[in-house]
Amino acid sequence: EAGVVQSPRYKIIEKKQPVAFWCNPISGHNTLYWYLQNLGQGPELLIRYENEEAVDDSQLPKDRFSAERLKGVDSTLKIQPAELGDSAVYLCASSLGGGTHADTQYFGPGTRLTVL
Amino acid sequence: GQNIDQPTEMTATEGAIVQINCTYQTSGFNGLFWYQQHAGEAPTFLSYNVLDGLEEKGRFSSFLSRSKGYSYLLLKELQMKDSASYLCAVIDSNYQLIWGAGTKLIIKP
Repeated sequence: EAGVVQSPRYKIIEKKQPVAFWCNPISGHNTLYWYLQNLGQGPELLIRYENEEAVDDSQLPKDRFSAERLKGVDSTLKIQPAELGDSAVYLCASSLGGGTHADTQYFGPGTRLTVL
Repeated sequence: GQNIDQPTEMTATEGAIVQINCTYQTSGFNGLFWYQQHAGEAPTFLSYNVLDGLEEKGRFSSFLSRSKGYSYLLLKELQMKDSASYLCAVIDSNYQLIWGAGTKLIIKP
């Protein structure tokens, strides 16, 4: 069974440019997560979807970040405009879902973003 | 606030045993995960504990004491490929996952 797929794996852009990341979760997983991870730190949740609904976006910097999961399957995370401090690894994870039980998350390989 | 503490870095010898500790203070508790993350790769699931006690899975074991807000991951017969970061994460009362910063484990021959 295929795991979580993310693209691109690496992205280098100049500040103020837009960038987008794509994620396809494990088939049948209703919950999708976008995380940001800096070197030597744990993942920080940006947004969590239950199917197509964003149920937790409290940590998403909405002035420059946006996300969508229109059909409840794959998802896109966008940054516009990017800032130097956005350089990090962006991880996508998925889980079966439900929201009311311990739900093991499975991660994609991540996108390493470098903003120059 | 919510807090998870792990040592930043540990060093161990190939073939030996190492214990990585995790203490947590969270608003409620609904389980604790351990993940392994090799450099430049995504975290991968290792274990899940929700009841007190020891869960053994091959060379890896995970222990939980809810009354003490404490868990450890025990790695036996260390191999060079075990060099990685080990992340502790707790599910709080809102079923949100709170992550620790991870422990970087260095294995020496």
